Order: sequence, then structure tokens, then C-alpha cells
Amino acid sequence: DVKVTQSSRYLVKRTGEKVFLECVQDMDHENMFWYRQDPGLGLRLIYFSYDVKMKEKGDIPEGYSVSREKKERFSLILESASTNQTSMYLCASSLTGQGNIQYFGAGTRLSVL
Amino acid sequence: EDQVTQSPEALRLQEGESSSLNCSYTVSGLRGLFWYRQDPGKGPEFLFTLYSAGEEKEKERLKATLTKKESFLHITAPKPEDSATYLCAVQASGGYNKLIFGAGTRLAVHP
Repeated sequence: DVKVTQSSRYLVKRTGEKVFLECVQDMDHENMFWYRQDPGLGLRLIYFSYDVKMKEKGDIPEGYSVSREKKERFSLILESASTNQTSMYLCASSLTGQGNIQYFGAGTRLSVL
Repeated sequence: EDQVTQSPEALRLQEGESSSLNCSYTVSGLRGLFWYRQDPGKGPEFLFTLYSAGEEKEKERLKATLTKKESFLHITAPKPEDSATYLCAVQASGGYNKLIFGAGTRLAVHP
């Protein structure tokens, strides 16, 4: 079974803090994704990566950055957290060619106070 | 612009009462349409992928169908454990494996 692990289920941070969300997958997938999920808006893509050290902006990259130094790990960074970044963050990974199915982690619920 | 719209937003059924969820999409070249199930506080769980109009897939009480403009998720004789949010997503040609998600349908099945 594919396993995508997000380091924290819940996080509470203060405005202005630098926040790191970590995601690890164990299936040697080349593609990894970060989404945020808000009620009524569905999942929105923040950033994705199709290879080590490669990254592409998604639909809502403002206020975020990412890092992919190893194939299995994809980090989302909030440089200076703001209250409007309070959300559920979901990481996913996929293997190109195998139906492009994305497998998701359990999510990190981030509250910025 | 590529877009996915799901309806209804919420659906309440009695156990055994069959129904359908709708996913309408506009996309510049469909590579695949995906259905996911999401339980509260958890990440989405993959259910089906459909690739071309006319295709159908089944899993237990769920059956997904696809036309050129929409997909339906039919739920036959649902049980309370089918209660979840069902998400639809499309992947466009040349889209770098990106998925565009709808807002989801919250399904509640009552005994």
C-alpha cells in the first residue's frame, strides 16, 4: 500500500512565525503535491514537484514556498504565517503512467492565531 | 478555464435509498476523471478513475459513469458507513499530472 505521511495532524502557530509542514512518501513516486482545503472551496493546489529540486507553482502559491531535496520528502514552508493561512493542508504523491492516481496523506490542520 | 462543479452540495439519504451525485466539468482535453472519498479529519481516498466517455466502473455499492461533460457517482442501497464527502477531480491534457477538484458532495446516510 502507498503511504503518504504528514508530520503533524494539528499545529497551532502565531502570526509571523515561520512554519514547516513535512510530507514523506514511501513508494518512490516522482510527483508530489501540496493542497489546502477550505469549506466550500474544495482542494486548491499550492505547489507541486515532478522531480528532486524541481517545483512548479499551483493555483495559490502566494505566501508559500516548497523544498524537495530528496525524492521521498516534500516540505511546505509558510515564510510568515498569517491568519488567512488557517486551513487543512494535504500532501499527495503520484507515479506518472500508473493512472496518475494521487495518494493523499491524512492532512495537517493548521491554526494561525 | 478548466472547472469542476459538483452537485448537490449536500445529500441526506435513508439507508437503502439509492441516489446519484453529479460532477460537471469543462476542461481543455480530458486525460482522466477521478473520484475520491473523504472521511472527516482524513485525507481523500481514491475510488475510481475514468478515462473516456461511456466508461463505467463499480466498487461495492458505488458505480461511476462518464460522459463528455459530466460524471455520475451512483450509490445503490447505501449504508450509514457510506456517509462521507465525495470529491470529483479532472486531469487535463498537458497538465503535469495536476488535478482540478470540485468542492465535493457531503453525503449522510441515516439508518
